[in-house]
Amino acid sequence: EPEVTQTPSHQVTQMGQEVILRCVPISNHLYFYWYRQILGQKVEFLVSFYNNEISEKSEIFDDQFSVERPDGSNFTLKIRSTKLEDSAMYFCASRTGFFPSTDTQYFGPGTRLTVL
Amino acid sequence: AQTVTQSQPEMSVQEAETVTLSCTYDTSESDYYLFWYKQPPSRQMILVIRQEAYKQQNATENRFSVNFQKAAKSFSLKISDSQLGDAAMYFCAYRRTNSGGYQKVTFGTGTKLQVIP
Repeated sequence: EPEVTQTPSHQVTQMGQEVILRCVPISNHLYFYWYRQILGQKVEFLVSFYNNEISEKSEIFDDQFSVERPDGSNFTLKIRSTKLEDSAMYFCASRTGFFPSTDTQYFGPGTRLTVL
Repeated sequence: AQTVTQSQPEMSVQEAETVTLSCTYDTSESDYYLFWYKQPPSRQMILVIRQEAYKQQNATENRFSVNFQKAAKSFSLKISDSQLGDAAMYFCAYRRTNSGGYQKVTFGTGTKLQVIP
């Protein structure tokens, strides 16, 4: 069964460094999402992406964050200058979009980002 | 804004027994979807069960069933004949039916389920 994949599984970085988290959505999916989960807290929506542009973003998704679908298969989340509070598990999700009211988002296994 | 609340951070159940995980939510919408996602220790979050708010009948999926009380805004998950593989973090989640097609999911904080052999 097709799955959303994410790399790396764990990323350690120094505060102020740029990181890029990578996701490969399911191949026929059209809508893509990033969520994050700070340890012990709920999973929070960051951004949705469709037709090569951001369709919705949360207040968390500030100018330090950006998303891109550079080559038609990968979907990336970039954090330009990481802060300690960016340490979290980041989940990518995708869905087909063929049946907007009923189809389900499929989640990747997550990337654990640790900012030191 | 929509919120989802799971008041049980941890639950445990004996193997083969039944357990119920609680979830309440708040919304002003009349049409929406509710979900239970399972996140095993391997971290892949998978959909367990989905309920459409306009349906009165409670959703069931093999050993998993829900008790959906729309007026009370309650959405509990019942796991029957619990198995060791059911041990995981369970997230209750909400999604509006019509949200410009973008459909972000709002999650609760999760309930960690332990299955005791």
